[in-house]
Amino acid sequence: EAQVTQNPRYLITVTGKKLTVTCSQNMNHEYMSWYRQDPGLGLRQIYYSMNVEVTDKGDVPEGYKVSRKEKRNFPLILESPSPNQTSLYFCASSSRQGRAYEQYFGPGTRLTVT
Amino acid sequence: GDSVTQMEGPVTLSEEAFLTINCTYTATGYPSLFWYVQYPGEGLQLLLKATKADDKGSNKGFEATYRKETTSFHLEKGSVQVSDSAVYFCALSAPGGNKLTFGGGTRVLVKP
Repeated sequence: EAQVTQNPRYLITVTGKKLTVTCSQNMNHEYMSWYRQDPGLGLRQIYYSMNVEVTDKGDVPEGYKVSRKEKRNFPLILESPSPNQTSLYFCASSSRQGRAYEQYFGPGTRLTVT
Repeated sequence: GDSVTQMEGPVTLSEEAFLTINCTYTATGYPSLFWYVQYPGEGLQLLLKATKADDKGSNKGFEATYRKETTSFHLEKGSVQVSDSAVYFCALSAPGGNKLTFGGGTRVLVKP
């Protein structure tokens, strides 16, 4: 089954304690990205990757890091989490379908930073 | 930069009612337009898309038409069901681009 998986699904942590949210896709997609979802703001892109070892900032990259060592994996790293990073996080991967890239989303990771 | 504006919710409807969710956008050129749906506790699923002016996307009884002249992509369904209760997001991507720019989302609640 084609899918994007994320782990963990729920995480409660304290300010300053480094954490990693994993993301994996089994569709051989080149493009992967991370979004955060906040009430009334929709989803905003954090980082994206066009291919292995190629990453770039999205609209809200501050406080986050990513890496893309393998095509299927795209972990999101919070080196020193702060309460304003409490949010719902989605990983997505995509392939091109005609003129548009169709994105597939993971189930989400709900992060609470206290 | 690019932006998407959609009507705020929640929208509360009775079963079999007509649903419209307005979406307008600001972008250069001819972006691709999407509607995504998020059911409770789940990730986003692509509902429908349109890639050029006057295209109509449709899926599961939902429709939306790409209107370049009004920069709009309104979502409609003629007869909603309780199972349509979800949050709906309008989004765009620039021509040839991967990044999605989302609207704020509209929560729809359908009551039996």
